[in-house]
Amino acid sequence: SAVISQKPSRDICQRGTSLTIQCQVDSQVTMMFWYRQQPGQSLTLIATANQGSEATYESGFVIDKFPISRPNLTFSTLTVSNMSPEDSSIYLCSAATGTGMTEAFFGQGTRLTVV
Amino acid sequence: DAKTTQPPSMDCAEGRAANLPCNHSTISGNEYVYWYRQIHSQGPQYIIHGLKNNETNEMASLIITEDRKSSTLILPHATLRDTAVYYCIVRGGYNFNKFYFGSGTKLNVKP
Repeated sequence: SAVISQKPSRDICQRGTSLTIQCQVDSQVTMMFWYRQQPGQSLTLIATANQGSEATYESGFVIDKFPISRPNLTFSTLTVSNMSPEDSSIYLCSAATGTGMTEAFFGQGTRLTVV
Repeated sequence: DAKTTQPPSMDCAEGRAANLPCNHSTISGNEYVYWYRQIHSQGPQYIIHGLKNNETNEMASLIITEDRKSSTLILPHATLRDTAVYYCIVRGGYNFNKFYFGSGTKLNVKP
């Protein structure tokens, strides 16, 4: 299994500013993902973080709003840019080891409130 | 995207078995069924997954019908700490790396 740490665990931000969330995995992983969970809702996949190349975004999410980095096999960042109150959500990092049909592990999330 | 249907909520008495159903009628031959749960304010926790055979681990059992169009997650002796949202996910095929979450089932374990 993999242990995933996210920083910060929560933050309150002013609208129009940006926040970068860090995700650190305790072992090398093949795949890393970022999710958003709006209040009372399920998880929505934002993008797949690709090592050494641009992230792959899901429909409805764009790089300008959610730039993602993945410099190595254990670390990734998600930035929420030009925030508005609608961006208030929990953002979760996920990672999967190996290839094929292996499970994914999740961090505890970053609770973001935009005021 | 999510290709599963689950009841929005279920109740279970503490100590009894909890049987959570999931419908995935459009599943294809190379897609796996995964179950996760999310306890309030925590990240999702992996429970179990399977392809076509029934699976059991220390947490739960997964029963997949022969036609693979539905499955049941069984928690054999539910405790209050099993109260959570349970997600059934079909993973594989074209997007075999990704996990798409549906709306899940809120399981309420009651004393």
